[in-house]
Amino acid sequence: QQPVQSPQAVILREGEDAVINCSSSKALYSVHWYRQKHGEAPVFLMILLKGGEQKGHEKISASFNEKKQQSSLYLTASQLSYSGTYFCGTDGRADGLTFGKGTHLIIQP
Amino acid sequence: DTAVSQTPKYLVTQMGNDKSIKCEQNLGHDTMYWYKQDSKKFLKIMFSYNNKELIINETVPNRFSPKSPDKAHLNLHINSLELGDSAVYFCASSPVQGAIGEQYFGPGTRLTVT
Repeated sequence: QQPVQSPQAVILREGEDAVINCSSSKALYSVHWYRQKHGEAPVFLMILLKGGEQKGHEKISASFNEKKQQSSLYLTASQLSYSGTYFCGTDGRADGLTFGKGTHLIIQP
Repeated sequence: DTAVSQTPKYLVTQMGNDKSIKCEQNLGHDTMYWYKQDSKKFLKIMFSYNNKELIINETVPNRFSPKSPDKAHLNLHINSLELGDSAVYFCASSPVQGAIGEQYFGPGTRLTVT
């Protein structure tokens, strides 16, 4: 099943913080976060694994609540370069990722 | 020094035609994927390929077939193209099998079927 992301869109001023949520109806082994800018490929940000291992970005953090099957991505002191669509992905079919519908983040100066 | 590359970047063709998209990765990864992103930006896994093992998303029509001549390449062949096949197709690679490794995406191929 496709994970559910919220909010669908958010507009921030530069320097403000944002939280993007991802929840699943099934037990998860991993949660991935990717950012995609318009006309470009998704870029890996973060992966959180069951058991607590986390790999990823130095300026962006995330949490993974295995029991609640939820993950949140935290962007602090947002920069203009943070604008884009953020996707969470969970372990899914064909050994690949099942992605949420994305959260559109717009950072204004 | 492109890590994952795809050709062509754009592909415009008519219904009923057969076409191929090529993907190459120079990261030395063992696992490669094909994803489809539709007009609503929904990203959907199509296939994964690891060490000659192909895993298919059963919802993908059998008109789509991946072919891997070697570990660094995973090409996508599409037969009898339909209007609904219009989308951006992304190739990706990962150092590990399954959803436990980061995935590196190619630049995408925008396929338009008329």
